[in-house]
Amino acid sequence: VQLVESGGGVIQPGGSLRLSCAASGFSVSRNYITWVRQAPGKGLEWVSVIYGGGDTYYADSVKGRFTVSRDNSKNTLYLQMNSLRAEDTATYHCARDLIIGQSRTGAFDIWGQGTMVTVSS
Amino acid sequence: DIVMTQSPDSLAVSLGERATINCKSSQSVLYSSNNKNLLAWYQQKPGQPPKLLIYWASIRQSGVPDRFGGSGSGTDFTLTISSLQAEDVAVYYCQQFYTTPIFGQGTKVEIK
Repeated sequence: VQLVESGGGVIQPGGSLRLSCAASGFSVSRNYITWVRQAPGKGLEWVSVIYGGGDTYYADSVKGRFTVSRDNSKNTLYLQMNSLRAEDTATYHCARDLIIGQSRTGAFDIWGQGTMVTVSS
Repeated sequence: DIVMTQSPDSLAVSLGERATINCKSSQSVLYSSNNKNLLAWYQQKPGQPPKLLIYWASIRQSGVPDRFGGSGSGTDFTLTISSLQAEDVAVYYCQQFYTTPIFGQGTKVEIK
């Protein structure tokens, strides 16, 4: 059971980037998958979530600029990031919500290693 | 928005001694529908993603050593490492899920 992110890099302000999160050992379509980012030397910030049913939610800081999507056939999620700003510089992790029975615990039990995004001119 | 405040920001503890980290939420994270506190604790070592230690405030995640314990309810929570080991050096985060997930600022634990 694992998540592997890819797609990070150096991008100029205002640019776009698409991150991928490939899952193995479980189905992304039956789980809640969250994106969390961590700026260099800083704490953790929730970015977005996609529900098993496809609903998506975003932090105010990225709403209107970031879009989460999913390809069930590839068991992969995507984070499309547009209009990137310097403050979006961070390592982006995808993580799986821990479900106990039918209940979301609100905790994240499986994390990817992350992919680094640097927004700089 | 809920604010999560951890204390202290850092602490140094001797090997084998107890380490205690506090986490205070600006509002209750007790979910009345299931009577669960929607509070988790994570450990993060340099260059690694966070690792889930505790969920629902006091339930140890599978595989986590029993020297890690979580307690508290409502707005005040504690992570205790009963006997600090060298491998426990890390930054620890609390996180609430009553609203959109919010993390505390982190507490760095070192060896004295």
